[in-house]
Amino acid sequence: NAGVTQTPKFRVLKTGQSMTLLCAQDMNHEYMYWYRQDPGMGLRLIHYSVGEGTTAKGEVPDGYNVSRLKKQNFLLGLESAAPSQTSVYFCASRLETGVNQPQHFGDGTRLSIL
Amino acid sequence: GENVEQHPSTLSVQEGDSAVIKCTYSDSASNYFPWYKQELGKGPQLIIDIRSNVGEKKDQRIAVTLNKTAKHFSLHITETQPEDSAVYFCAASTGGFKTIFGAGTRLFVKA
Repeated sequence: NAGVTQTPKFRVLKTGQSMTLLCAQDMNHEYMYWYRQDPGMGLRLIHYSVGEGTTAKGEVPDGYNVSRLKKQNFLLGLESAAPSQTSVYFCASRLETGVNQPQHFGDGTRLSIL
Repeated sequence: GENVEQHPSTLSVQEGDSAVIKCTYSDSASNYFPWYKQELGKGPQLIIDIRSNVGEKKDQRIAVTLNKTAKHFSLHITETQPEDSAVYFCAASTGGFKTIFGAGTRLFVKA
């Protein structure tokens, strides 16, 4: 049981390049999330999904797209990377039982845009 | 909008002393309050949580208290050890998909 796995762990991009961050969970969780973490700003929600085939915008969605074609995977895409997207990106998942449950996080992807 | 304020942003204590981190939430419908610990290079990991029908919860050296009237909740770490050094996040949830996180507290435990 690996939990939440993020790939890649590190990446450097040039402005205007595109890339996809992959998140995989093996806990059969319904909910999945993408956050970015910047110094002094905590975790800000980019996009989330409440089930396979569904996605929705979070607090800071501009410049990002997501897809959840399979329940276990949640992909975050940057179509045209900008220096403002330099950040650490965390994926999380959560079981939906009708009672609040904690989120389980991956170890992050550190992304630098030059 | 919904907000969680967390204080202090940085906390330095001597090994063996206690550490207290405080959070205030804005949405009175919040009913679930998890605390996460983030070590360097890792993702946040749940260390303790409390639900709104409970005023206090303890797990070994860690305790959390909740004051629903004042919309305050706090994390207490006793007998701190160097391995407690990390960033701690409080969070609040009303149910459903959304959780609001505080900005984090960087705790340093000096040996």
